[in-house]
Amino acid sequence: DGGITQSPKYLFRKEGQNVTLSCEQNLNHDAMYWYRQDPGQGLRLIYYSQIVNDFQKGDIAEGYSVSREKKESFPLTVTSAQKNPTAFYLCASSGPLAGGKDTQYFGPGTRLTVL
Amino acid sequence: GESVGLHLPTLSVQEGDNSIINCAYSNSASDYFIWYKQESGKGPQFIIDIRSNMDKRQGQRVTVLLNKTVKHLSLQIAATQPGDSAVYFCAAQPGGATNKLIFGTGTLLAVQP
Repeated sequence: DGGITQSPKYLFRKEGQNVTLSCEQNLNHDAMYWYRQDPGQGLRLIYYSQIVNDFQKGDIAEGYSVSREKKESFPLTVTSAQKNPTAFYLCASSGPLAGGKDTQYFGPGTRLTVL
Repeated sequence: GESVGLHLPTLSVQEGDNSIINCAYSNSASDYFIWYKQESGKGPQFIIDIRSNMDKRQGQRVTVLLNKTVKHLSLQIAATQPGDSAVYFCAAQPGGATNKLIFGTGTLLAVQP
């Protein structure tokens, strides 16, 4: 998975609880991303960060929060405000391939289930 | 905005045959495209990419074709193997300063022995 680790692989949460998903990369990439994947759907962008100490909302940021205090780490918190948090969460980072375009590489994912 | 769609949700092929997975995009300003492979329960894996100044790019057993006139790209897999069974996503980058990608919903490739 290209030097991107996510933990835990499986996570169970009770309703009303906040939970934090970990994402670490050792690729020296500046940009990092969080996506949500639901069955039969494409990836939807939650938050992204193009540089340390800066991040922007994606298409479905409500009920989520992030921080980017270190270049290699981009944790995602799923808050109790997220109405339907059960999903597969994917973290990615991007760095240049030959030719100058930044390509996103993905971690193995965390499957979150709300009980 | 950009939307990315795939023509078929499922593609079934015989082992050894060639596979073709298609993808359409809506934004003519999109200038970079990527194909990913996702096996069950895993993160997407980069397969091949193509920039808008190209119309064909080849990798190992894979070829991506880009037709900017009709905003269509395809992924061709030669001599499909059981290990190729997975969901394949195309993604388009809208261009400009952003590195954001817009993903299609995916095509499930099922390889029959």
